[in-house]
Amino acid sequence: EVQLVESGGGLVQPGGSLRLSCAASGFTFSSYDMNWVRQAPGKGLEWVSYIRSSSSTMYYADSVKGRFTMSRDNAQNSLYLQMNSLRDEDTAVYYCARNWGLDVWGQGTTVTVSS
Amino acid sequence: EIVMTQSPATLSVSPGESATLSCRASQSVSSNLAWHQQKPGQAPRLLIYGASTRATGIPARFSGSGSGREFTLTISSLQSEDFAIYYCQQYNDWPRTFGQGTKVEIK
Repeated sequence: EVQLVESGGGLVQPGGSLRLSCAASGFTFSSYDMNWVRQAPGKGLEWVSYIRSSSSTMYYADSVKGRFTMSRDNAQNSLYLQMNSLRDEDTAVYYCARNWGLDVWGQGTTVTVSS
Repeated sequence: EIVMTQSPATLSVSPGESATLSCRASQSVSSNLAWHQQKPGQAPRLLIYGASTRATGIPARFSGSGSGREFTLTISSLQSEDFAIYYCQQYNDWPRTFGQGTKVEIK
């Protein structure tokens, strides 16, 4: 079964850091580009970042550029999102999603930024 | 940034009826357009990619059409499990962008 499982969410103070992980299974992870997408409480979907299968290219939304870093470990079938200088407005459920069309989604992990 | 605008914001439909959802892009996205369905408390699920191709396991009552700037998702004979929020998403350019969503509710 193709599956993505996020972890690492939690409560963090403004200005703090958090590292999210996404474990992939059921497919050849190293062959697929990956994304992070977030959803603030009661709001719509917002694309956050993208990484090519080879890690050669990354793109970020302007709202997180310079603060978030996406990476992957193809040997471990894992995707990461390092989030620094967190703000209240980063509070959201964070999903990892596969490929350009976001054809597979994880169940999400919740990040709450609050003092 | 390509702005995706969905209409209507809410669509009230009786079970068994059809629903037509619209999505407009601020500039052409060719056919690089996907539709996602999200139910309360759940992750989104891909329904349509390439503007008109159903994703694996998606019932035939879901159909997509359009290219360039104008797109449509049609759900024929709505079932109870189809009441949800639907998002269009372009993957033609960076940043990837979503519409604000159309909520399909029971009339």
